[in-house]
Amino acid sequence: EAGVAQSPRYKIIEKRQSVAFWCNPISGHATLYWYQQILGQGPKLLIQFQNNGVVDDSQLPKDRFSAERLKGVDSTLKIQPAKLEDSAVYLCASSLVRGQRGGRKDTQYFGPGTRLTVL
Amino acid sequence: AQSVTQLGSHVSVSEGALVLLRCNYSSSVPPYLFWYVQYPNQGLQLLLKYTSAATLVKGINGFEAEFKKSETSFHLTKPSAHMSDAAEYFCAVSHNNNDMRFGAGTRLTVKP
Repeated sequence: EAGVAQSPRYKIIEKRQSVAFWCNPISGHATLYWYQQILGQGPKLLIQFQNNGVVDDSQLPKDRFSAERLKGVDSTLKIQPAKLEDSAVYLCASSLVRGQRGGRKDTQYFGPGTRLTVL
Repeated sequence: AQSVTQLGSHVSVSEGALVLLRCNYSSSVPPYLFWYVQYPNQGLQLLLKYTSAATLVKGINGFEAEFKKSETSFHLTKPSAHMSDAAEYFCAVSHNNNDMRFGAGTRLTVKP
């Protein structure tokens, strides 16, 4: 099966500019996650969707970050305006069903990420 | 709240030597525990996971991890390191696949 797709793979922008990232999860996966991975750190969850609804966005800086998953399939993450500290890799992941135990349903599958550099 | 601590940001071993990457967790409920590997410029790939079944979990590429509740540990091991094992390894904890928290990562270097 096809994996999680993300684009672009790399993006360089200047501070105060806007940027958007796109993610297409594995077909049939209801849950979609966006993570921020700053160099030298583990991924940090920004937002979690179940179908087209937000489950958890407690760690999303809502003054500049926004995300949507309008049709419950692909998703976009936007930063407006960007700051220097937003330089990171943005990872998208998907899983079958939120909150299910056992088997493949518990596993999050990650895309290759988008490396953002803010100058 | 749950969290993981990975002991050692860098581990270096010789090819053929034992690999031991340490992870300790904190969780108020029975945890799910994961090890992921990340190669340069790639996303995370699941190595193995613990979901309250067998305490010794076998994963891909010859890795395994043992869940020790008394020690709140989930260390990752491989009997014999290969050059291709050089990568960043992340331990993670979640409750029922929600709110996954990752450790800071351990970079594994394999010397010839």
